[in-house]
Amino acid sequence: DQQVKQNSPSLSVQEGRISILNCDYTNSMFDYFLWYKKYPAEGPTFLISISSIKDKNEDGRFTVFLNKSAKHLSLHIVPSQPGDSAVYFCAASRGSTLGRLYFGRGTQLTVWP
Amino acid sequence: KAGVTQTPRYLIKTRGQQVTLSCSPISGHRSVSWYQQTPGQGLQFLFEYFSETQRNKGNFPGRFSGRQFSNSRSEMNVSTLELGDSALYLCASSLGGAGEKLFFGSGTQLSVL
Repeated sequence: DQQVKQNSPSLSVQEGRISILNCDYTNSMFDYFLWYKKYPAEGPTFLISISSIKDKNEDGRFTVFLNKSAKHLSLHIVPSQPGDSAVYFCAASRGSTLGRLYFGRGTQLTVWP
Repeated sequence: KAGVTQTPRYLIKTRGQQVTLSCSPISGHRSVSWYQQTPGQGLQFLFEYFSETQRNKGNFPGRFSGRQFSNSRSEMNVSTLELGDSALYLCASSLGGAGEKLFFGSGTQLSVL
């Protein structure tokens, strides 16, 4: 059963605008959330993470927001650039299963000029 | 610091054969995990090893097995290959603690004919 869900398989955004990628989860035991970016034929690359005790974490153009009551998190990319075009995966971890991440199915982001 | 190295990069096998994939983690990382990626399915967790012990296991049949050596290098074996085993197999390493981000290799693309 999919404990981390990304309900939008694709998102198209114009260069310079904001990209918002969404993620929902079902397991309240998750205590860390991470976002990964993946290009074709490459492994995922870590982007940004957030602990469940925080509601926001920012790193340059990337900001992750966590709403624990709604079991929802989002990744904001501002401003979006064509090089951001990739598949973005949301992932979660919990203390009882160290070393394992639970991934969503990904959202394909396309940033057009 | 060298990244996670997976070999081989591509592999073609026929049904019924077996295959062994190799993964060399980042130096100092004691946790190695394996994921299977198929189109539209995201990253499905196979298993995770920490200091030569399997610490977590996903919901895959017993045909999928792995091991970790004293130098933290890991191998994954799939016996009696089926057409549905065609996928990108990703290895990731980490320090293995709570909330630790995973560093992924480029993967092994396995095609079963």
